[in-house]
Amino acid sequence: EAGVAQSPRYKIIEKRQSVAFWCNPISGHATLYWYQQILGQGPKLLIQFQNNGVVDDSQLPKDRFSAERLKGVDSTLKIQPAKLEDSAVYLCASSWVGEAHEQFFGPGTRLTVL
Amino acid sequence: EDKVVQSPLSLVVHEGDTVTLNCSYEVTNFRSLLWYKQEKKAPTFLFMLTSSGIEKKSGRLSSILDKKELFSILNITATQTGDSAVYLCAVSGKWAGKSTFGDGTTLTVKP
Repeated sequence: EAGVAQSPRYKIIEKRQSVAFWCNPISGHATLYWYQQILGQGPKLLIQFQNNGVVDDSQLPKDRFSAERLKGVDSTLKIQPAKLEDSAVYLCASSWVGEAHEQFFGPGTRLTVL
Repeated sequence: EDKVVQSPLSLVVHEGDTVTLNCSYEVTNFRSLLWYKQEKKAPTFLFMLTSSGIEKKSGRLSSILDKKELFSILNITATQTGDSAVYLCAVSGKWAGKSTFGDGTTLTVKP
């Protein structure tokens, strides 16, 4: 079974620039999550999709972050414009829908904002 | 707001020692508690606990949940250097899939 794919693995940008991350979940997983993990902290949920609908985006800074999941499969997360404090690892995860299931994580994208 | 607190923040032991990691939580409409291991990459799933008092076991790792006192422990016996990692605890609450993570316990196992 192929795992969760993410790209790019690393990205370095300057503040005020834009950046986009891509995620392809495990086939058949209806639920997709984007997390932000700052060094030394646990993952913080940014947005959760079920199929192509948003379940929770309460912690997504909507003035600069946006995410979409067209056709209910892969997803993109965008930051525009980036700030220094956005430097983090961005993790994508997917799971089966329904009662609680473990999440399968992708390798993450390490973003550095200079 | 859901909250997960893990302790200790970090732990250094020698191979062969036994360790206990703690996770306490506050969550609306508790569904499950999950433990993950994070090495230098993405978290990988260890256990999911939904019922109090039932121990989950996998090799040298075991975990148990106390829903009355709102905590869980993760035990690792006969630790090995390969157990060195960050151990994350997450709770799933109001929404079955949404998880709130703690900041993790960093375990270092020395030879």
